[in-house]
Amino acid sequence: GAGVSQSPSNKVTEKGKDVELRCDPISGHTALYWYRQSLGQGLEFLIYFQGNSAPDKSGLPSDRFSAERTGGSVSTLTIQRTQQEDSAVYLCASSLGGADRVRYGYTFGSGTRLTVV
Amino acid sequence: AQSVTQLGSHVSVSEGALVLLRCNYSSSVPPYLFWYVQYPNQGLQLLLKYTSAATLVKGINGFEAEFKKSETSFHLTKPSAHMSDAAEYFCAVTSSGYSTLTFGKGTMLLVSP
Repeated sequence: GAGVSQSPSNKVTEKGKDVELRCDPISGHTALYWYRQSLGQGLEFLIYFQGNSAPDKSGLPSDRFSAERTGGSVSTLTIQRTQQEDSAVYLCASSLGGADRVRYGYTFGSGTRLTVV
Repeated sequence: AQSVTQLGSHVSVSEGALVLLRCNYSSSVPPYLFWYVQYPNQGLQLLLKYTSAATLVKGINGFEAEFKKSETSFHLTKPSAHMSDAAEYFCAVTSSGYSTLTFGKGTMLLVSP
């Protein structure tokens, strides 16, 4: 597509429920990134996918968080047993790989605002 | 390791005044540096980036930034603020040894008439 698409744009869930957030990257972008944006905390890296390589999960805050990327395209971020501290905006970005990620840049979606009540 | 420090969580300027948003980075290898802008309820939009070519980088909406290796800085400037510049600005770093962007905590720019 023309841009990075994220859905839903807003999600309100009850504490303890599981949620799934979706990211549809730009066609042809081999790299996909998830970030979490909490108030006053900037953007926190969560997970990175590059092609068929094993994902870099070093930023996931707990084992309640997981993500997958199917067919090298769409990605789903899953948060199990949500807690109030999970409330944040979850941003997805995609890019070309290697040096092209710098040359052509990273493109961000509009994010999913998650509220856990 | 990489890190970014943005001095000032909030910066207030009058319309027409100079905008200066500060960014200092830490990187053990030559960095690539980015400035993004975020308007309310929107994603991040790239303003400009430094990729080891010219040290003075011009971006969209009249913004520019200068890479100063000796000061490990990449401050964002605009000669004359406009009301539409009010937004949150993020500085970010990556390098050849990293694939992800590391962001600062952001600076909210407030523009008063």
